[in-house]
Amino acid sequence: EAQVTQNPRYLITVTGKKLTVTCSQNMNHEYMSWYRQDPGLGLRQIYYSMNVEVTDKGDVPEGYKVSRKEKRNFPLILESPSPNQTSLYFCASSLTGTAGANVLTFGAGSRLTVL
Amino acid sequence: SQQGEEDPQALSIQEGENATMNCSYKTSINNLQWYRQNSGRGLVHLILIRSNEREKHSGRLRVTLDTSKKSSSLLITASRAADTASYFCATSGTASKLTFGTGTRLQVTL
Repeated sequence: EAQVTQNPRYLITVTGKKLTVTCSQNMNHEYMSWYRQDPGLGLRQIYYSMNVEVTDKGDVPEGYKVSRKEKRNFPLILESPSPNQTSLYFCASSLTGTAGANVLTFGAGSRLTVL
Repeated sequence: SQQGEEDPQALSIQEGENATMNCSYKTSINNLQWYRQNSGRGLVHLILIRSNEREKHSGRLRVTLDTSKKSSSLLITASRAADTASYFCATSGTASKLTFGTGTRLQVTL
């Protein structure tokens, strides 16, 4: 089944404890992206990747890192999480990042709480 | 920055009625997409309309696009309880970025 898989789905952590949210897709998609969703703010893009070894900042990249060493994986790293990073995170991918071909497939989401 | 803004923020209708949601955006687009999100879950793509298209249908969904007014509407006909969800428009310009609005929460009651 074609899908985007995120792990963990739920996580409670403490301020400053490094964590990684993994994302993997099995559709050979070139484009991958991370969003966070907060009440009243909709989805905001954190980082995106057009292809392997190509990443770029989205609207809210502060406090996050990403890497794209393999086509299928796009992990989101929080080096020193803070309470304002408490949110629902979504990984998404599309065949390409070209406008018009950028229909996104989303993962199920990762709910992160930072105490 | 947010591109699309949905209206209304929340909509409550009875099963069998039609639901109309609107999306306004600010800059030129290549295409506009609508997504659906069941509570706390991932978004699911519904339909894509290109900037040179005015109307598109998919099952009970009808999307219109007016580029002169920078607006789009999503019509769900003969709504069902299972249509209860949040609906988001997302716009894409020449760049790869897809920018989402804040969504319309639709509640369909029996």
